[in-house]
Amino acid sequence: KQEVTQIPAALSVPEGENLVLNCSFTDSAIYNLQWFRQDPGKGLTSLLLIQSSQREQTSGRLNASLDKSSGRSTLYIAASQPGDSATYLCAVPKTSYDKVIFGPGTSLSVIP
Amino acid sequence: NAGVMQNPRHLVRRRGQEARLRCSPMKGHSHVYWYRQLPEEGLKFMVYLQKENIIDESGMPKERFSAEFPKEGPSILRIQQVVRGDSAAYFCASSPKLGGYTFGSGTRLTVV
Repeated sequence: KQEVTQIPAALSVPEGENLVLNCSFTDSAIYNLQWFRQDPGKGLTSLLLIQSSQREQTSGRLNASLDKSSGRSTLYIAASQPGDSATYLCAVPKTSYDKVIFGPGTSLSVIP
Repeated sequence: NAGVMQNPRHLVRRRGQEARLRCSPMKGHSHVYWYRQLPEEGLKFMVYLQKENIIDESGMPKERFSAEFPKEGPSILRIQQVVRGDSAAYFCASSPKLGGYTFGSGTRLTVV
């Protein structure tokens, strides 16, 4: 049974810092890994999707890496801004159509 | 493409009433997933449907909850005889063939 964990559970940093969010999964047989952002009381916004054959994906100030063999992914946020404050979730499906299993999320607060 | 559309955004029901939540997937997506997010908790899978078929309902409570995705029209998540513990945000997602999920903005159900 797939289990997804995220560390840290919460993070507070001053504006401008670079930061790393961690995601671990127990079953390396994943189809892809997706990072989402959720603002309070809102839906989920997809940030990055990494296919199982890929090592990393980049979008603007965000970079996500994937190490399937060790069951880990990291989300790197460069030059953090107050607008980055949100909960960040990683999610993995077993196959292209399988349900995704979500991690519990990392709650990020960027202080101006 | 309007994305995944969920309605209503907010729904208030009295205990014992029925709640009907609707989800229209992205154009071209024939796979729909429902997730529930209880207050202060993570996202939990409920059910996965394709057109006219339930593929995986392993996360669905055995009683009072049902889901359908008819040939025509949106997917419906139906909760009969709602109780206070059903108060949550219900998210719908759809997926294309190569994976990657797009989520709707959710329906926030409040049972009073």
